[in-house]
Amino acid sequence: EVQLVESGGGLVQPGGSLRLSCAASGFTFSDHYMDWVRQAPGKGLEWVGRIRNKANRYTTEYAASVKGRFIISRDDSKNLLYLQMNTLKIEDTAVYYCARAYSSAWGKDYFDYWGQGTLVTVSS
Amino acid sequence: DIQLTQSPSFLSASVGDRVTITCRASQGIDSYLAWFQQKPGKAPKLLIYAASTLQSGVPSRFSGSGSGTEFTLTISSLQPEDFATYYCQHLNGYPRTFGPGTKVDVK
Repeated sequence: EVQLVESGGGLVQPGGSLRLSCAASGFTFSDHYMDWVRQAPGKGLEWVGRIRNKANRYTTEYAASVKGRFIISRDDSKNLLYLQMNTLKIEDTAVYYCARAYSSAWGKDYFDYWGQGTLVTVSS
Repeated sequence: DIQLTQSPSFLSASVGDRVTITCRASQGIDSYLAWFQQKPGKAPKLLIYAASTLQSGVPSRFSGSGSGTEFTLTISSLQPEDFATYYCQHLNGYPRTFGPGTKVDVK
């Protein structure tokens, strides 16, 4: 059974840093691209960024709102995905989800499994 | 960047109703679109990808159609467990934008 479990959320002051983790199990983690998506309280979904697999040199993509402040990384030996969040702003307050990207024969990938989310609150 | 709009933003419906939600893209995205369902306090759930392909395990009352810039999600006969918020997402390049969502609630 595919499982994604986020951790590391909490309360942090503006300007601070936090690292989220996503523990994956039930599939070959190293094969897949992985993404982060967030949802501010009462708001819609916002894509945060992606990390590709080793075959694609672990390259990353980021939303403009987080580029230069957030870093996505992974440890395939531990089946862990990370989101390092720096210079946090009040507007970064959200539930952060990790999601598995499934690359189908159709040619595009889509998010077929999601974690339960972890809440990050940025407040003084 | 590709922008997505959804209509309506809110929809009141009864069990058994046929429900249609529209998603429009700011530029053509072929069939590179997915639909998700989200219930309060839960993670989104994939319903449809490639605009019209039903994800495994999703009931057949859900269907998707469209290509280019206009897409629809249809629930043929609304069930009690379908009251939720629905999001579209494009799968063509970056950023992987989501639509603003359509909340389906009880009439």
